[in-house]
Amino acid sequence: EVQLVESGGGLVQPGRSLRLSCAASGFTFDDYAMNWVRQAPGKGLEWVSGISWNSGSIGYADSVKGRFTISRDNAKNSLYLQMNSLRAEDMALYYCAKGVYSGSHNAFDFWGQGTMVTVSS
Amino acid sequence: EIVLTQSPGTLSLSPGERATLSCTASQRVSSNYLAWYQQRPGQAPRLLIYGASSRATGIPDRFSGSGSGTDFTLTISSLEPEDSAVYYCQQYGTSPLTFGGGTKVQIK
Repeated sequence: EVQLVESGGGLVQPGRSLRLSCAASGFTFDDYAMNWVRQAPGKGLEWVSGISWNSGSIGYADSVKGRFTISRDNAKNSLYLQMNSLRAEDMALYYCAKGVYSGSHNAFDFWGQGTMVTVSS
Repeated sequence: EIVLTQSPGTLSLSPGERATLSCTASQRVSSNYLAWYQQRPGQAPRLLIYGASSRATGIPDRFSGSGSGTDFTLTISSLEPEDSAVYYCQQYGTSPLTFGGGTKVQIK
C-alpha cells in the first residue's frame, strides 16, 4: 500500500524558515517523480514544486522560486521542501504527491494527508 | 503560465443524473497532459483521469474524460451520493503546472 506521510509543518514567523519532509513507502521511490502541492484554507490547489526520479529535473511555481528548494533522498525514500523567507501567503496545507511517471511532467496518483504551515507573527 | 478556467462553479444535480464539467485552457495543453481530481471535504485529492481520457486505477467507469487542445470535459454518467465533492482539472504539459479553480458538485 502506497503511503506518503508529511511532517515538519507548524507555526512560523514571517521571514523565517521551515523544512518539510515526506516519508514514502509501499512503492519503489526512486522510480517516480515527486511533488509538493499546497492548499490555503478554503481555497483551491496550487502546485509548488516537482522533482524527477533522479533529481535531474526540478521545477517551481513562480510564487516560490528563489525561496523554496525541493530535494529528495532516494536512499531514505524521502522528499523535502526547504522553505525560506516565509510570507503570510505561504500559509497552507502542504501535500506530498507521487507522480504517475518518473519524469517531471506528471499527474499525481497518490497524495499524503498534508502538513499545515501557519505563517504569523 | 497556462490558466485553466473551470465551469460551472457549482453544479447541483440529483442521484442518477449526468454531470458535465468543463475545463478551458488559455493555451493549448501539450500532449493533452490534462488530469482531473476529486476532493471530498477534509480529504486529500484523488486522481480520476490523466492524459485527458485515461482512468486512474480503481476509478469507476461512470467517470470519463474527453477533449483536446484547450477544451476538456469530465463526465460523471450517473451521479452517486458519494460523488459530492470539488473537482479540479490540472495541466502538466507545461511548467509551471497549474490547476483550475474547481467545480463543486452537490447532490440534491
